Amino acid sequence: QVHLVQSGPEVKKPGSSVKVSCKASGGTFSNYGISWVRQAPGQGLEWMGGIIPVFGSANYAQKWQGRVTITADESTSSAYMELTSLRSDDTAVYYCATHGISSSANYFGFWGQGTLVTVSS
Amino acid sequence: DIQMTQSPSSLSASVGDRVNITCRASQGISNFLAWYQQKPGKVPKLLIYAASTLEPGVPSRFSGFGSGTDFTLSIGSLQPEDFAIYFCQKYGSVPLTFGGGTTVEIK
Repeated sequence: QVHLVQSGPEVKKPGSSVKVSCKASGGTFSNYGISWVRQAPGQGLEWMGGIIPVFGSANYAQKWQGRVTITADESTSSAYMELTSLRSDDTAVYYCATHGISSSANYFGFWGQGTLVTVSS
Repeated sequence: DIQMTQSPSSLSASVGDRVNITCRASQGISNFLAWYQQKPGKVPKLLIYAASTLEPGVPSRFSGFGSGTDFTLSIGSLQPEDFAIYFCQKYGSVPLTFGGGTTVEIK
């Protein structure tokens, strides 16, 4: 059983950046990957990208290339998602979620509680 | 990229009804298909993976089937706690893609 705890809500100005953290407990951090999924108000789920900490490199959805950076720190069992050049339509709840290392198992078994990022001038 | 299309986008049903939700992939994805349930203000919950494998703890009234491009989530006898939004998700190769969701409402 993996438990993910995310950092608290953020209010940001357009053009600024936000970095959301996700700390894992339970399980073994090197045994799974972590992805970030966004949900705008009243909308569906959107995969932004993910990382397998033991491998180190991240994959991103093309829509987010160049604007999002996902990193992980095995020493603290934490993952991070930084989104730059924020716009009002980036206002959303951002979730971290675990998935298997193998591509045949990269569905999302455990989820963080979500972090609301509000972008407003 | 592979697109996932769910239908219907919403449905109304009564307690005890059988409900089917479909998810179609724009290309074949074998059985790399998961289903999630999300209640208002809550975190999504994994119900089914590998198209038909129930996550431990998920009631047996939920079932999934399909392979290739066409998939179905079936709820055998709708219970009050099942009224929620359901999402399918294609996995395997990246990008990982979700369907648009199906809202199951009380009739």
